Amino acid sequence: DQQVKQNSPSLSVQEGRISILNCDYTNSMFDYFLWYKKYPAEGPTFLISISSIKDKNEDGRFTVFLNKSAKHLSLHIVPSQPGDSAVYFCAASASGTYKYIFGTGTRLKVLA
Amino acid sequence: SQTIHQWPATLVQPVGSPLSLECTVEGTSNPNLYWYRQAAGRGLQLLFYSVGIGQISSEVPQNLSASRPQDRQFILSSKKLLLSDSGFYLCAWSSGGFANEKLFFGSGTQLSVL
Repeated sequence: DQQVKQNSPSLSVQEGRISILNCDYTNSMFDYFLWYKKYPAEGPTFLISISSIKDKNEDGRFTVFLNKSAKHLSLHIVPSQPGDSAVYFCAASASGTYKYIFGTGTRLKVLA
Repeated sequence: SQTIHQWPATLVQPVGSPLSLECTVEGTSNPNLYWYRQAAGRGLQLLFYSVGIGQISSEVPQNLSASRPQDRQFILSSKKLLLSDSGFYLCAWSSGGFANEKLFFGSGTQLSVL
């Protein structure tokens, strides 16, 4: 049972354009969502998070949008840079459970 | 500042051999600790998590076990490795007792079972 889904395994974007990565979840108890960036053979690094009391959170070039009714979140990267090329994972957690459930990841390639 | 150490970085083991991966966290107390696995071409699968010494929750029935002998030490073990145990193993921590905390990962161990 995949509670967190990233349906696009890969995405290619031109440098300077917007990258939009999507994530869907099924568990309505999830109330905290995170995005991570991962390079090969390295641990994931935290990018940005959002609580369910918000619908948008912004940090520099990264913005996360949350649509609770649709159980959908997205990560926008503007402008995209070649160094953004990596695998991006979304994760979700429910208060009091201490568990973080990850999606399958989306490989982003930013073309110079 | 807090740091997480995970070793070894790479490991090649024969089928049927034992396994012990160790993870330690510095600069914090009473963290929540986690073991994840990324199989080839797959996402991050939660294997075990611990909210305190001796408290282990298992997420997936498998050939592996975890232990937390000290507050900031988390160990992943197996008595007999299977081919299917190959993958990239990640240790992680978050601040214990708080909601909406980030998860911080170690650098990972690439395990190849041959």
